[in-house]
Amino acid sequence: DVKVTQSSRYLVKRTGEKVFLECVQDMDHENMFWYRQDPGLGLRLIYFSYDVKMKEKGDIPEGYSVSREKKERFSLILESASTNQTSMYLCASSSSRQGVALYEQYFGPGTRLTVT
Amino acid sequence: AQSVTQPDIHITVSEGASLELRCNYSYGATPYLFWYVQSPGQGLQLLLKYFSGDTLVQGIKGFEAEFKRSQSSFNLRKPSVHWSDAAEYFCAVNFGNEKLTFGTGTRLTIIP
Repeated sequence: DVKVTQSSRYLVKRTGEKVFLECVQDMDHENMFWYRQDPGLGLRLIYFSYDVKMKEKGDIPEGYSVSREKKERFSLILESASTNQTSMYLCASSSSRQGVALYEQYFGPGTRLTVT
Repeated sequence: AQSVTQPDIHITVSEGASLELRCNYSYGATPYLFWYVQSPGQGLQLLLKYFSGDTLVQGIKGFEAEFKRSQSSFNLRKPSVHWSDAAEYFCAVNFGNEKLTFGTGTRLTIIP
């Protein structure tokens, strides 16, 4: 079974702190994604990566950055956390290889981040 | 523009009743279609998917979905819901690249 793990289930940070959210997948997937989930807004894509050291902006990249130094690990960074970044953050991975559950995304359990 | 719409924010059904959750998309071709379920405090789990072929697809937990090209829809159904089906359901669409576009979700409440 594909496993996507996230470093924390719950996190509380103060305004202005630098925050790191870590995501690791064990299926050798090429693509990895970071979403935030807010009530009534569904999942919104922050950033994604289709290869090591590659990154693409999603729909709401402002205030975030990412890092992908190894294929299995994708980090989301909040350079200076703000209260409007309080949310549920979900990591996902998928394969681009034909015949390997093409584009089906596998999700981690999520990190609920509170910024006070 | 490419978009995904789940018109029902919240649906309440009685245990044992049938269920249909709606999903519509806007796209010029046939996309790849997915339904995910999210239990409280959890990540998303894939229920089923449609890529091509038979337009009625079966998924896990007794769910099925039907792709209707003429209506640009991919509605999720279950003949008889169980209390454990209470969750949030997301329709997602791949428009031909690595990304999925998600609908805003439908929260399902089950009453005894």
